[in-house]
Amino acid sequence: AQKVTQAQTEISVVEKEDVTLDCVYETRDTTYYLFWYKQPPSGELVFLIRRNSFDEQNEISGRYSWNFQKSTSSFNFTITASQVVDSAVYFCALSDQRNAGNMLTFGGGTRLMVKP
Amino acid sequence: NAGVTQTPKFQVLKTGQSMTLQCAQDMNHEYMSWYRQDPGMGLRLIHYSVGAGITDQGEVPNGYNVSRSTTEDFPLRLELAAPSQTSVYFCASSSLSGRAYNEQFFGPGTRLTVL
Repeated sequence: AQKVTQAQTEISVVEKEDVTLDCVYETRDTTYYLFWYKQPPSGELVFLIRRNSFDEQNEISGRYSWNFQKSTSSFNFTITASQVVDSAVYFCALSDQRNAGNMLTFGGGTRLMVKP
Repeated sequence: NAGVTQTPKFQVLKTGQSMTLQCAQDMNHEYMSWYRQDPGMGLRLIHYSVGAGITDQGEVPNGYNVSRSTTEDFPLRLELAAPSQTSVYFCASSSLSGRAYNEQFFGPGTRLTVL
């Protein structure tokens, strides 16, 4: 069975601070996919990133960066110089090779509040 | 393309009432699914379908029925609504292309309150 754990339920930071959202996953598959989604106050789900299990390179996209470590089954997400617009709920998710992205297992989400 | 559409956006029901949440996609996707989102629990899979006439249960199917008579539509039916079904419901669709990975497209969600 697959499982995704986001231990931080809520994080509050002041604008311009860096913040890291933790994600730990469990799967028996050797090939799988990891995702991060953002859910702003408007409620829709916004896709941020997908990572394949065989690609452990870290990725940076503007102020966002992701640290994938297979050895610790973690896929952490860092926002550098946070902004008020980053306030949202962030979900980490996992899909195994068999489902090829069609079926996702989500973590409980981390609510990030960025104060001005 | 409209993508994945869901109606209604908001709904309030009384306990015991029934209703259908609508989901449609115009991308000719074979795979469609319903998730519910509850605080602290993320999104959990209710039912899914790999094509017209084929449906299966996900993690939390009790109290919900689905049918898939066309490729485009995947309605979710609540027969006897209960307060425990108060949640935000997301429909999603994706291709079954045989590729290693298929991107999920999510609808905007339906916020349901059962009193």
